[in-house]
Amino acid sequence: QVQLVQSGAEVKKPGSSVKVSCKAYGGIFSRNAIAWVRQAPGQGVEWMGGVVPVYGTPQYAERFQGRVTITADKSTDTVYLELRSLTTDDTAVYYCSRVGDEYVVWSYFEYWGQGTLVAVSS
Amino acid sequence: EIVLTQSPGTLSLSPGERATLSCRASQRLPVNYLAWYQQRPGQAPRLLIYGAASRATGIPDRFSGSGSGAYFTLTIRRVEPEDFAVYFCHHYDASPTFGQGTKLEIK
Repeated sequence: QVQLVQSGAEVKKPGSSVKVSCKAYGGIFSRNAIAWVRQAPGQGVEWMGGVVPVYGTPQYAERFQGRVTITADKSTDTVYLELRSLTTDDTAVYYCSRVGDEYVVWSYFEYWGQGTLVAVSS
Repeated sequence: EIVLTQSPGTLSLSPGERATLSCRASQRLPVNYLAWYQQRPGQAPRLLIYGAASRATGIPDRFSGSGSGAYFTLTIRRVEPEDFAVYFCHHYDASPTFGQGTKLEIK
């Protein structure tokens, strides 16, 4: 059984950066992409990007290009999301998810982490 | 970018009734890369349906998905008390997008 465990909640100042981790347990880590999405309070879900660990090259949503970095550490089965130049609009719950199809970034989200609240406030 | 519009915004039903939730795409999907998720308050979403009509592992058969092109439907044959939640659709081709959700509430 695949389980994704994310790092804990963060409180950040505007202009700073945040790095959230997602550690995978079970399954074969390298084949299935790990994606990051976020959900602002009372809002819908927004895809930020993803990476197939065996390839290592991430894909990003255009609106986050230049401000986000997703990296995969195959030695620890962990994927990281770093978001820079935070504003209050970045306040949201951030989820990682393992996709269902192998070797592709864009697929349905089969397994989910528990979510990490990132609150940005001055 | 494909925009997904879900209707209704809120659906009020009694347990045992049939629920029909719709997801309309702003343009025809060339392949049925359409998934449905359930999200209860304070929880992560749960995959219900992928490929428009394939049930995910462990999902009860009262949940079914249908549709193609630009119109997709999630049906709950007889709503159980634990089914009251928010449901959203997801197009998972390049530039993935999500619907805004339908809240299924107790009537």
